[in-house]
Amino acid sequence: DAGVIQSPRHEVTEMGQEVTLRCKPISGHDYLFWYRQTMMRGLELLIYFNNNVPIDDSGMPEDRFSAKMPNASFSTLKIQPSEPRDSAVYFCASSLTAPSNQPQHFGDGTRLSIL
Amino acid sequence: AQKVTQAQTEISVVEKEDVTLDCVYETRDTTYYLFWYKQPPSGELVFLIRRNSFDEQNEISGRYSWNFQKSTSSFNFTITASQVVDSAVYFCALSDNAGGTSYGKLTFGQGTILTVHP
Repeated sequence: DAGVIQSPRHEVTEMGQEVTLRCKPISGHDYLFWYRQTMMRGLELLIYFNNNVPIDDSGMPEDRFSAKMPNASFSTLKIQPSEPRDSAVYFCASSLTAPSNQPQHFGDGTRLSIL
Repeated sequence: AQKVTQAQTEISVVEKEDVTLDCVYETRDTTYYLFWYKQPPSGELVFLIRRNSFDEQNEISGRYSWNFQKSTSSFNFTITASQVVDSAVYFCALSDNAGGTSYGKLTFGQGTILTVHP
């Protein structure tokens, strides 16, 4: 079975550019999560969706970050404009039904470098 | 508030040694879930185990075993006869019942870097 698919795997861009990260969750999973991993802060939840609806975006660092889930099989995380401090690994994860009961399955991550 | 503490930042062992990774958690809920994830050098996060707060039975899966003790709020992970392929960062995580709602935020510990030398 296909796992969570993220693209691109690596992204290098210059400060000020728009960055779009993509995620395809596991088919049938109705929860989708975006995380950011840095050395300083570890793994942080940015936002999560349930049935394509954003439920909690309290982890989104600022207005430069936005996320959408137009359908059950696709989500994007956009940073505009990007800054060097946004450099991190961004993970997408999905889960079946109630996440407190079911494990979250992670994609391979997108390693983002903002120069 | 939830908190997960993995006090061991790094552990280094020689192949075939047993190693235990510690995890201590804090939560006010009586219903919660504990997880372990593995992050190998390739970077992906791999789910290893889920345990709910009402099941204190220890679990064994091959060379992996988990010891859950509510009395000490610990959920420790032991690798028996470690192998080089076990080298990775291991994360412990906690999800509560969010007051009966369907979603409890997953809180991760800072991770333990395990290096197994040949």
